[in-house]
Amino acid sequence: NAGVTQTPKFRILKIGQSMTLQCTQDMNHNYMYWYRQDPGMGLKLIYYSVGAGITDKGEVPNGYNVSRSTTEDFPLRLELAAPSQTSVYFCASVRDSDTEAFFGQGTRLTVV
Amino acid sequence: KQEVTQIPAALSVPEGENLVLNCSFTDSAIYNLQWFRQDPGKGLTSLLLIQSSQREQTSGRLNASLDKSSGRSTLYIAASQPGDSATYLCAVRHNTNAGKSTFGDGTTLTVKP
Repeated sequence: NAGVTQTPKFRILKIGQSMTLQCTQDMNHNYMYWYRQDPGMGLKLIYYSVGAGITDKGEVPNGYNVSRSTTEDFPLRLELAAPSQTSVYFCASVRDSDTEAFFGQGTRLTVV
Repeated sequence: KQEVTQIPAALSVPEGENLVLNCSFTDSAIYNLQWFRQDPGKGLTSLLLIQSSQREQTSGRLNASLDKSSGRSTLYIAASQPGDSATYLCAVRHNTNAGKSTFGDGTTLTVKP
């Protein structure tokens, strides 16, 4: 059972470039989340989804977009990358709103 | 808005000592609270999940307590070891159907041999 898988693990982007961070879970979880973690800080919610076709903004959504066409996949799109988006990005999923959260290993993104 | 605070931000102890990490939250309307461990440059490893109806959970040398009414949780680590050195994060799950969580900034623990 792979759990939550994120790709890529590392990426360097130039200012203004775009990219998609991939997240896949094989646990048939309804709820999925994208967080970012800046150095020395906790995780801040970017976007979340409560099921296929349903997404909503979290605490820090500006500069990002998401889609949820299947239960398994929840990609995060960065358009026009900026240095402020340099961070570590984590994807997470839960089966129900009150059950244990599972996290991917993270994507370390640097924008130069 | 839910706010989660972890004190202290950093803690250094000699090997073998028992220690307590603190997590406080401002809104008691929660589903559960989850403690995670994060090693440098790595992802989050779940340690313990306490449901809002529970008072504590135990796993090996770890014991987590929850006092929802006062907005506090503690993570107790017994007989600390150098391998326990890591950052410990607590996350509070909001009492909504979206299951969102708010994280504290973590406590970085160093256990000296």
